[in-house]
Amino acid sequence: ETGVTQTPRHLVMGMTNKKSLKCEQHLGHNAMYWYKQSAKKPLELMFVYNFKEQTENNSVPSRFSPECPNSSHLFLHLHTLQPEDSALYLCASSQPESGANVLTFGAGSRLTVL
Amino acid sequence: GNSVTQMEGPVTLSEEAFLTINCTYTATGYPSLFWYVQYPGEGLQLLLKATKADDKGSNKGFEATYRKETTSFHLEKGSVQVSDSAVYFCALSDRGGATNKLIFGTGTLLAVQP
Repeated sequence: ETGVTQTPRHLVMGMTNKKSLKCEQHLGHNAMYWYKQSAKKPLELMFVYNFKEQTENNSVPSRFSPECPNSSHLFLHLHTLQPEDSALYLCASSQPESGANVLTFGAGSRLTVL
Repeated sequence: GNSVTQMEGPVTLSEEAFLTINCTYTATGYPSLFWYVQYPGEGLQLLLKATKADDKGSNKGFEATYRKETTSFHLEKGSVQVSDSAVYFCALSDRGGATNKLIFGTGTLLAVQP
């Protein structure tokens, strides 16, 4: 596979469940990102990892827990979510050192919290 | 802080009509500017970019010029097609912090009718 792959594409979970979103990139990029896309709102940057180290946490509630075991994989662990957390979660990667920071996005994981 | 403002949608056009989607930004320094496009059920894809004042980005018949004096990066296309129906996002590259990150506008839905 090439590009950025996200799984699952769709997820429905209850407020007491624990689930994880997975992102994998095969582009050799060093930076990975989680964005939240909600209707009628700008894309919200959640987390940034650079060379596996977290460099940005945009005041995200602790019920979202990211994990970056290596530069190719990024997870978002979910627990005790709220209905307002229902959204499309987008993963992206980039090579910041290459100049203009062009992000390559995955297709997203559509999350519904009941 | 840095921000992007783009025109509210939806924008509904007939095939072969002229398209303009307005985008203005607020930033310190000299950010790079981007347009991304999101087709139904997919993630965001880079459409075009410009890295310095007066640069013109172009791709697939779309164009946008980096205007520092008006802090704008309006997207234009001379003749739209039904296949251009998508959500268009304006973004700037924020070089603050340890890692470059993109700040997005709210997105503008374009619907092209045959």
